[in-house]
Amino acid sequence: TQLLEQSPQFLSIQEGENLTVYCNSSSVFSSLQWYRQEPGEGPVLLVTVVTGGEVKKLKRLTFQFGDARKDSSLHITAAQPGDTGLYLCAGARGGATNKLIFGTGTLLAVQP
Amino acid sequence: GAVVSQHPSWVICKSGTSVKIECRSLDFQATTMFWYRQFPKQSLMLMATSNEGSKATYEQGVEKDKFLINHASLTLSTLTVTSAHPEDSSFYICSPRRGDTQYFGPGTRLTVL
Repeated sequence: TQLLEQSPQFLSIQEGENLTVYCNSSSVFSSLQWYRQEPGEGPVLLVTVVTGGEVKKLKRLTFQFGDARKDSSLHITAAQPGDTGLYLCAGARGGATNKLIFGTGTLLAVQP
Repeated sequence: GAVVSQHPSWVICKSGTSVKIECRSLDFQATTMFWYRQFPKQSLMLMATSNEGSKATYEQGVEKDKFLINHASLTLSTLTVTSAHPEDSSFYICSPRRGDTQYFGPGTRLTVL
């Protein structure tokens, strides 16, 4: 059972368009991270959010953590072909192991 | 930054053989190691968590006798896929943790014929 559901699952857009990826759960997380992964490589951390309602910006990427710390969103402005990849949210439940559980993933393709 | 290596980066083996994947944290010590599996166009699924010197804790549905994890030192962990079958073909990624941060290896592509 996947604790974190992402939507959409696939997204193909034109260069310059905006998009939002959602990450939803019924569970509360102590922190949530967003990663981007390219084929044949490990995931690369984009951002970590820890406070409910927190908003972080990374150039054209805006990340928001829900007030109840159960959901998050990633908004990309003026997408570029270099943004193409698999976007993954991942939540940490805290506790002794504080293991990271990944969302279902969103595969983004930005056409030039 | 933290550097994590995995070896081999890819391996092809015959059904029934065993394959060992090594994960090294090159510039830090990792007390906790996570192993993930990823099927094509899918997300990472946590397989097991191991602490240095202790037995690994496996996630539900992951066979501990099939996926042997050894975390004998703070810089090296190994995952052995025993008696591999085609359905074990996947992308295996290790993730050592330092403090509150998990780092990720570049992954190992396993193909079982």
